[in-house]
Amino acid sequence: AQRVTQPEKLLSVFKGAPVELKCNYSYSGSPELFWYVQYSRQRLQLLLRHISRESIKGFTADLNKGETSFHLKKPFAQEEDSAMYYCALSPPEGGKLIFGQGTELSVKP
Amino acid sequence: GAVVSQHPSRVICKSGTSVKIECRSLDFQATTMFWYRQFPKKSLMLMATSNEGSKATYEQGVEKDKFLINHASLTLSTLTVTSAHPEDSSFYICSASPRSWEQYFGPGTRLTVT
Repeated sequence: AQRVTQPEKLLSVFKGAPVELKCNYSYSGSPELFWYVQYSRQRLQLLLRHISRESIKGFTADLNKGETSFHLKKPFAQEEDSAMYYCALSPPEGGKLIFGQGTELSVKP
Repeated sequence: GAVVSQHPSRVICKSGTSVKIECRSLDFQATTMFWYRQFPKKSLMLMATSNEGSKATYEQGVEKDKFLINHASLTLSTLTVTSAHPEDSSFYICSASPRSWEQYFGPGTRLTVT
């Protein structure tokens, strides 16, 4: 079955602390993995794509095929990082996205 | 670039009536558009995939006769909720894809059925 699991509904950290948002997936094959972010009152937007291996806004995510995980990390959280974060996968040829349940990140001053 | 709009942003309708939601890609052509439903504090659930000029592909459990999707052009897809019921009240989000993995999301439409 195709599934994305984000075990934490809410993650609350203090500014400057490290952050790790967990994501595990289930897919028979080699999917594409993504992280999307939704800031308050804004639309969903792409944060990271595993193939590009970029660091966006200080966030990185490494695909671990052995553990079927794609955790999102940032060494020093900022207040402006507070948002809903969704992990998602799509088939290797592209197309539909299957989303995890989302994790709300709250960064306190 | 890559802006997707939805109209209306918010709609209230009476039970039993139909309501149409439009999704437009403003500055690119979208061969594929997707429709999602989002429940409060929950994930986005894919309802259907819409390819220009062909019938939509619905996900399991989504009633195609209730949620009519039309993708008449490369910049416009519509979702019509027919014979709406209160349980159809939700946040509906579309996305448009110009190619393979890229998807750009609309701002969403809040539907309330009274």
